[in-house]
Formats: sequence, structure tokens, C-alpha cells
Amino acid sequence: SQKIEQNSEALNIQEGKTATLTCNYTNYSPAYLQWYRQDPGRGPVFLLLIRENEKEKRKERLKVTFDTTLKQSLFHITASQPADSATYLCALGSPTGSYQLTFGKGTKLSVIP
Amino acid sequence: GAVVSQHPSRVICKSGTSVKIECRSLDFQATTMFWYRQFPKKSLMLMATSNEGSKATYEQGVEKDKFLINHASLTLSTLTVTSAHPEDSSFYICSAGPQYEQYFGPGTRLTVT
Repeated sequence: SQKIEQNSEALNIQEGKTATLTCNYTNYSPAYLQWYRQDPGRGPVFLLLIRENEKEKRKERLKVTFDTTLKQSLFHITASQPADSATYLCALGSPTGSYQLTFGKGTKLSVIP
Repeated sequence: GAVVSQHPSRVICKSGTSVKIECRSLDFQATTMFWYRQFPKKSLMLMATSNEGSKATYEQGVEKDKFLINHASLTLSTLTVTSAHPEDSSFYICSAGPQYEQYFGPGTRLTVT
């Protein structure tokens, strides 16, 4: 069965540094991959989408890479700030291209001032 | 971005009663909406896909008679938890999107006493 792994449950990083979060998957060929941010007690917030034929996507201080050979996505936050502290979720899109997503367990990022 | 609302945000009910949760897309039409359940420190678990004008598609292990879904219009889906039990206590979240990126409601915290 398909499996999604986000490399660590928690990641602590110093303010100003670049945070790098990893998402690996097996037994799956997603048409696209997405990253979401979730704050405690709230619904996830969409951040970035990257398609299977794209290598990299950027949005302000965020960068996502997608390697379909390695079956891995990296999510980077540059110049991290305490306000970036949250849980970040990786989500795989359906190989058929439907809107259904399968989520990883998330990585809780803490940016320390 | 698109906005999805969810109501109520919190509900406490007695065991054996039913609870209805509403999910609305405020500024776009959604032929498909998704319902998730999330346990503390766990990932989002897809419960069902709500399809406007037709029956919902339930994920394996989700009781369709217990979690009734109605998608009567292009902007409203409802999830009714019937004959609720304490083990149904959880955080329920809906999502919808005009395209592949999904916009989530703020979630409903259900507590069954």
C-alpha cells in the first residue's frame, strides 16, 4: 500500500536559518504534491503545489522541490521566523488527477528566536 | 485564496444523539468536498468524498450509516454523526477547492460525553 513519510516529527531551528523538511513516499505515483501549514486547533492552509513534471517551485521565502525518481519532496523556508512555527503537512495528489489528497503525518517546526 | 467555512467550531453532545456539521464554500462552487478526521498529533484521515447530487464515496473502514454525508448544493456539504459515542470525539475538517489546491474549513471539535 502507499506510504508517505515526513522525516521527523519535530524540527527545531534557529531564527534566520533555512528550515528543510522532507517528504518521502513509496508505492505511489502522484500527479502532483502539495504542502500545507497547520496551526494547533485549525484547519490546514495551502502553501504550494508542484506537479510531477516540475522540479522546483518558489513562493516568497518558500521553496519546494519534487524528485519523482527518488520519490521525495523537500520543503525549504529561508530566513525562518518564529511566526513560521507550525506543523507542515505533505500531501500527495491522486495519480488519476482527481482532487483527492493523501497526507503525511506532518513535521512540527519550531523556530527559536 | 478561496474560503471554506465550517459550522459549528465546537460541539458537545450526549452519547446516542446525532450531530450535524456544515461545510460551505463561500466564493466558489464545489462539486466535490472532502471530509477528514484528525486525532491529536496524527495526520488527517480522509473519511469520505462528498459529491454534489450523488452519493458520497467512503473510505475503507468508515461506516456510511454512522457518518451520513449530504451534498445538496454546489456550496454546501453536511456531515451528520449519528448515534454518537465517546469514541467519535475528534476534530472533523472539510475541504474543497476550485482546482487541485484544497481550502480547508477551520474544523469542528466534537466531544461526546
